[in-house]
Amino acid sequence: GENVEQHPSTLSVQEGDSAVIKCTYSDSASNYFPWYKQELGKRPQLIIDIRSNVGEKKDQRIAVTLNKTAKHFSLHITETQPEDSAVYFCAASGTGNQFYFGTGTSLTVIP
Amino acid sequence: SQTIHQWPATLVQPVGSPLSLECTVEGTSNPNLYWYRQAAGRGLQLLFYSVGIGQISSEVPQNLSASRPQDRQFILSSKKLLLSDSGFYLCAWSPDIDQPQHFGDGTRLSIL
Repeated sequence: GENVEQHPSTLSVQEGDSAVIKCTYSDSASNYFPWYKQELGKRPQLIIDIRSNVGEKKDQRIAVTLNKTAKHFSLHITETQPEDSAVYFCAASGTGNQFYFGTGTSLTVIP
Repeated sequence: SQTIHQWPATLVQPVGSPLSLECTVEGTSNPNLYWYRQAAGRGLQLLFYSVGIGQISSEVPQNLSASRPQDRQFILSSKKLLLSDSGFYLCAWSPDIDQPQHFGDGTRLSIL
């Protein structure tokens, strides 16, 4: 099955700086890659997603890039704010109807 | 619009007791349904998923089972809970494969 690896596991940045989280996947048939943000004790919420026919997608301060050849995708957050502090998860669709999640990145934005 | 309900929000159970967690989705039909477990400070582990009534796929062998008695109802069960079953259980739905998953508020299960 699919194997999704996510790095780093923790990330601290100064407010206003950029944050980058990277994920790799193993199944070349995966073609949908969502990113979720989870605040402490709450549900994961979708923040951005990308499909395999697109190399980059941007939504205000958040962007995602996908390199299908290398089987990796990344989340970029610019001009970080304290409210960006949370755990971020990447995911990749499996060959069936399941999703496989990365292990999460705990982002702390220091005011 | 679609909504997902999951209950209870918290649950404290003794070892060896049974379990039943329920999840329902409103505002859509024939959704894909998922059960995940999240240990403290860890990632999301897929437990079960279902693409239709009575169709359950299990990702990992365990002490738990799932059922889908109705199109928009997904139930997670156990006959005898273990200490290792503690965690944060999340139900999710998506309209189809390769579509975003939407999560419920989760159930925090503590086994004593």
